[in-house]
Amino acid sequence: EAQVTQNPRYLITVTGKKLTVTCSQNMNHEYMSWYRQDPGLGLRQIYYSMNVEVTDKGDVPEGYKVSRKEKRNFPLILESPSPNQTSLYFCASSLRPAYSNQPQHFGDGTRLSIL
Amino acid sequence: TQLLEQSPQFLSIQEGENLTVYCNSSSVFSSLQWYRQEPGEGPVLLVTVVTGGEVKKLKRLTFQFGDARKDSSLHITAAQPGDTGLYLCAGVNYGGSQGNLIFGKGTKLSVKP
Repeated sequence: EAQVTQNPRYLITVTGKKLTVTCSQNMNHEYMSWYRQDPGLGLRQIYYSMNVEVTDKGDVPEGYKVSRKEKRNFPLILESPSPNQTSLYFCASSLRPAYSNQPQHFGDGTRLSIL
Repeated sequence: TQLLEQSPQFLSIQEGENLTVYCNSSSVFSSLQWYRQEPGEGPVLLVTVVTGGEVKKLKRLTFQFGDARKDSSLHITAAQPGDTGLYLCAGVNYGGSQGNLIFGKGTKLSVKP
């Protein structure tokens, strides 16, 4: 089954403790991205990757890191999480970049709470 | 940066009623996508509209792209409880180097039986 898999689905942690949210897709998609979804603010893009070893900042990249060492994986790293990063996070992938009108396939989300 | 404004933010209606959701911008978009998101899940693509004036139908859902490609609408006929969810429009922002997808804030629809 074609899917985008995020782990963990839920995480409660404390300020400053490094964490990684994994994202994996099995559709051989080139383009992957991370979003955060907050009430009243909607979905905002954090980082995106056009292909292996190619990543770029989205609209809200501060406090986050990403890597794309393999085509299928695109982990999101919070080196020193802070309470303002409490949010619902989504990973998405598509065959080609957004400007090609390709549909974005989203994971089911990771709910992060930073205390 | 191009912005997409959706209205209304919230909509609560009875089963069988019709409704329209709007997605507006002051900027021109090459295309717009509509997604539906249900609680506990990620957004799922409903449709992509590309040509100004284009109308696409998906069962009881009708999507229209404005002639000037600055706005889009989603009309649902005879809404059912299964239509409940968050409806999001999205378009490509060419403000960045590669063009990334930006989303409206969504319309939360509740259809009561």
